[in-house]
Amino acid sequence: GAVVSQHPSRVICKSGTSVKIECRSLDFQATTMFWYRQFPKQSLMLMATSNEGSKATYEQGVEKDKFLINHASLTLSTLTVTSAHPEDSSFYICSGRGGLAGDQETQYFGPGTRLLVL
Amino acid sequence: QKEVEQDPGPLSVPEGAIVSLNCTYSNSAFQYFMWYRQYSRKGPELLMYTYSSGNKEDGRFTAQVDKSSKYISLFIRDSQPSDSATYLCAMSADTGGFKTIFGAGTRLFVKA
Repeated sequence: GAVVSQHPSRVICKSGTSVKIECRSLDFQATTMFWYRQFPKQSLMLMATSNEGSKATYEQGVEKDKFLINHASLTLSTLTVTSAHPEDSSFYICSGRGGLAGDQETQYFGPGTRLLVL
Repeated sequence: QKEVEQDPGPLSVPEGAIVSLNCTYSNSAFQYFMWYRQYSRKGPELLMYTYSSGNKEDGRFTAQVDKSSKYISLFIRDSQPSDSATYLCAMSADTGGFKTIFGAGTRLFVKA
């Protein structure tokens, strides 16, 4: 299967700082990338969808100025949590999806980034 | 009513048991059906992918899709403690831009 990496795997930061999380598709071109948030023992919550070269589409209730998403290339998307607060502490997971016919149906997930805001 | 319904469990079985995990859905346009496995504190891993109705087998895993009943299943034979994880069903359609809808996930525990 296709491989997606995320960096860092875990980060601890002080309240008020910004944190950037990178998501890379290693062996395929991800025309679409997704960012999810997951609380303990809960399912995935889609935050936003981004297409390469376009502005991200945010789900209802997700602050776009708080969670900045950039998808500048077919292999890299970044999520920046600006002015992080303790309530932003969570597990953030990205996924990528190819754009070619026969490749658009499935998403491949990164290993996730655990964010702890003190 | 959610588009995809999945019992969150937890489901606890003894080692060696056959496990049946299920999802129902309401959107008849769904054509692509996936099962993901997620270990604790890890990202989901694609386990099985099925297009339209029918069965697909891969080792100890069998995925079944019954579009007439809007019901999909994942069977795990000879379950192992290492199968203990959360299993998420997911589905999409080429209408609506392949937006993937995930089930809530079923937590499975296989006891040695």
